[in-house]
Amino acid sequence: GAVVSQHPSRVICKSGTSVKIECRSLDFQATTMFWYRQFPKQSLMLMATSNEGSKATYEQGVEKDKFLINHASLTLSTLTVTSAHPEDSSFYICSALTSLEETQYFGPGTRLLVL
Amino acid sequence: GENVEQHPSTLSVQEGDSAVIKCTYSDSASNYFPWYKQELGKRPQLIIDIRSNVGEKKDQRIAVTLNKTAKHFSLHITETQPEDSAVYFCAAILYGQNFVFGPGTRLSVLP
Repeated sequence: GAVVSQHPSRVICKSGTSVKIECRSLDFQATTMFWYRQFPKQSLMLMATSNEGSKATYEQGVEKDKFLINHASLTLSTLTVTSAHPEDSSFYICSALTSLEETQYFGPGTRLLVL
Repeated sequence: GENVEQHPSTLSVQEGDSAVIKCTYSDSASNYFPWYKQELGKRPQLIIDIRSNVGEKKDQRIAVTLNKTAKHFSLHITETQPEDSAVYFCAAILYGQNFVFGPGTRLSVLP
């Protein structure tokens, strides 16, 4: 299957700082990327859908000014958590959708801890 | 929109026994149903999928069945092994739309 990387894998930051997470499709072009948030023992919660060259579509309840998404190319999408607070601590996972397949391929995830 | 339910939420089986996880969906237009396995702290990995024009698909010890009339699909794992222990998520998708995941099933295979 296709390979998706995510960086960093783990980040600890102080409250009030911003954190950028990168999601890359390594061997295919991803017209669409998704950003999920996952709390312990819970399912994946879709935060936003990112399409290359256009604005991201955010799910209800997700603040677009807090979670900035940029899909600058067909292989890279970034999620920036601005002015992070402890309640933003979570496991963030991206996924990428190829133009030919329906299957999403997931990145390894980023564990964010805000102190 | 689509709503996916998944049962059971937790499942414990003895090694070598079979495990069955069932999902129901609400949107009859959904036409793609993948299953993902997620080990603790790792990414979800696709293990098997089925499209709406197929009733059953099998890959070694894993099989998925789809009942479009009843709007449910099931994951079957035979001859379970300890390494099958993980959280399993089903999803239902209408092509081009967002994935809707079930809440997950935590499977424990006891040696």
